[in-house]
Amino acid sequence: QQPVQSPQAVILREGEDAVINCSSSKALYSVHWYRQKHGEAPVFLMILLKGGEQKGHEKISASFNEKKQQSSLYLTASQLSYSGTYFCGTVSGESNYQLIWGAGTKLIIKP
Amino acid sequence: GAVVSQHPSRVICKSGTSVKIECRSLDFQATTMFWYRQFPKQSLMLMATSNEGSKATYEQGVEKDKFLINHASLTLSTLTVTSAHPEDSSFYICSARGAWGPRGGYTFGSGTRLTVV
Repeated sequence: QQPVQSPQAVILREGEDAVINCSSSKALYSVHWYRQKHGEAPVFLMILLKGGEQKGHEKISASFNEKKQQSSLYLTASQLSYSGTYFCGTVSGESNYQLIWGAGTKLIIKP
Repeated sequence: GAVVSQHPSRVICKSGTSVKIECRSLDFQATTMFWYRQFPKQSLMLMATSNEGSKATYEQGVEKDKFLINHASLTLSTLTVTSAHPEDSSFYICSARGAWGPRGGYTFGSGTRLTVV
């Protein structure tokens, strides 16, 4: 079952912050975050493996609440280069450890 | 880091012909390869999963006789779209996972834009 991402889309001005959420109805083994720009393949951002784990990647960080089966991606002081569609992918034992993608969150950064 | 080379990046073919898409892992052994298709403004849709040396496992609704997947070596997987029709036009992307299994990331190819005319 596909994880639910919210919001579907967000428009920001450069320098503003954003949070993208990803929730699943299944017990999760890991959560993956990717960014895809138009016409290109997705680019790996980070993977979170443990409950309560947090990771950072420049000004992009994420948390994973295993109990709530949720993950959030935080983008701080957004830059124009952050524009794109962000996908979370979840892996669970119930899905035979396949990566199941969310529908994506489109992020538009305006100068 | 892990790199997957996918080609061609774009292909235009006539209806009824077949098209082969290749994905090569350049610096690691891809024990599992995933093939996706993506329609405009939509998420990635998993078509099939293949493990090296084994037959691919297709997702429900994906015709295995139409989308032939070969994963004969740990560095090469191919997807052949047979008797392509305009409705097969899409963005096809491969993704490889190494022996690290689901604890690690998935490396994507650069994608193939297929247009069937």
